[in-house]
Amino acid sequence: NAGVTQTPKFRVLKTGQSMTLLCAQDMNHEYMYWYRQDPGMGLRLIHYSVGEGTTAKGEVPDGYNVSRLKKQNFLLGLESAAPSQTSVYFCASSFPLGTSRGGELFFGEGSRLTVL
Amino acid sequence: GENVEQHPSTLSVQEGDSAVIKCTYSDSASNYFPWYKQELGKGPQLIIDIRSNVGEKKDQRIAVTLNKTAKHFSLHITETQPEDSAVYFCAANPSNTGNQFYFGTGTSLTVIP
Repeated sequence: NAGVTQTPKFRVLKTGQSMTLLCAQDMNHEYMYWYRQDPGMGLRLIHYSVGEGTTAKGEVPDGYNVSRLKKQNFLLGLESAAPSQTSVYFCASSFPLGTSRGGELFFGEGSRLTVL
Repeated sequence: GENVEQHPSTLSVQEGDSAVIKCTYSDSASNYFPWYKQELGKGPQLIIDIRSNVGEKKDQRIAVTLNKTAKHFSLHITETQPEDSAVYFCAANPSNTGNQFYFGTGTSLTVIP
């Protein structure tokens, strides 16, 4: 049981380049999330999805796009990378909070992105 | 939106001592408060959570207390061990935001053998 898998784990980009981070989960979770983690700022929600084909904005969505074409996958895209997007990105998944197994976020191991 | 503040940002304790981490939140609609532990190079993992209908919850050496009136909740770790060294995050979930969680800024705990 792999849980939540993120690829790639490390990436260096030049300003203006584009890239996509892939998140895959095998726990049949309805909800998936993308967070960024920066020193002294905790985890901030970028975008999330409550089901296949749906996405919504979180706290810091600017400069990012997402897609959830399949229930098990959640993609995070950077169309034109900026140095301010240098961060560690975490994907997470969960059941809905109101269900018996809901609430707990299961995180991947993170993807470290550097934009030069 | 919700604002979660967490203190202290760093904490060092001797092995066997207790550690306490405190968080405050702003949105009275928040009703679910999880705590996550993040070890170096890994993603956060849930260690304990509490819902707004209880004031305290324990799981072996870990406990969480909640004061809804004052809008603060705390993590208590007793008999600390070196493997407790990690970064701890509190979070709050306002009931009107579905599954959106707002995290504190983290506490780096070091347990000195």
